[in-house]
Amino acid sequence: EPEVTQTPSHQVTQMGQEVILRCVPISNHLYFYWYRQILGQKVEFLVSFYNNEISEKSEIFDDQFSVERPDGSNFTLKIRSTKLEDSAMYFCASSDSGGALDTQYFGPGTRLTVL
Amino acid sequence: ILNVEQSPQSLHVQEGDSTNFTCSFPSSNFYALHWYRWETAKSPEALFVMTLNGDEKKKGRISATLNTKEGYSYLYIKGSQPEDSATYLCANDYKLSFGAGTTVTVRA
Repeated sequence: EPEVTQTPSHQVTQMGQEVILRCVPISNHLYFYWYRQILGQKVEFLVSFYNNEISEKSEIFDDQFSVERPDGSNFTLKIRSTKLEDSAMYFCASSDSGGALDTQYFGPGTRLTVL
Repeated sequence: ILNVEQSPQSLHVQEGDSTNFTCSFPSSNFYALHWYRWETAKSPEALFVMTLNGDEKKKGRISATLNTKEGYSYLYIKGSQPEDSATYLCANDYKLSFGAGTTVTVRA
């Protein structure tokens, strides 16, 4: 069964460093998303992406964040200058269509630890 | 962002017993409700998408109901098994505003 994959599973970085989290969505999906979960808190929406551009973003997704689909298979989240509060589990998801009724399929997450 | 709340936060169930728990959400501006099952170190797994008031969905021993007028959904597990142990998340809206989850532990 097709699945969303994410790499790395765990990333440790120093504050101020740039990180790139990678995702390979399900191959025929057109909509892509990033979510994060800070330890002990709810899973939060960050951004949705369609047709090579951001379709929606939350207030969390500030200028330090960017997303890209550099080729036909990968979808990346870049954090330019990491802060301690960026430590979280980051989930990628993809869906066939972008509507509220469409199921989003999630990857297993990347745990980002900022020291 | 729509506020989604889940209760209880956690529950322990004896194997073979049935259980249920709640997801509540603002009834205005309702789009759809999603239920996910999330086991530790795995991807959240989609269980149901529910849209209509009175909707009822079933997948094996797990079922869910939806009341959009009063803004709640119940998830039921019938005859709980140890493999049902997981965190169950509900989410509203196409941007998936998640609740905090209900963590179910089934004791053998």
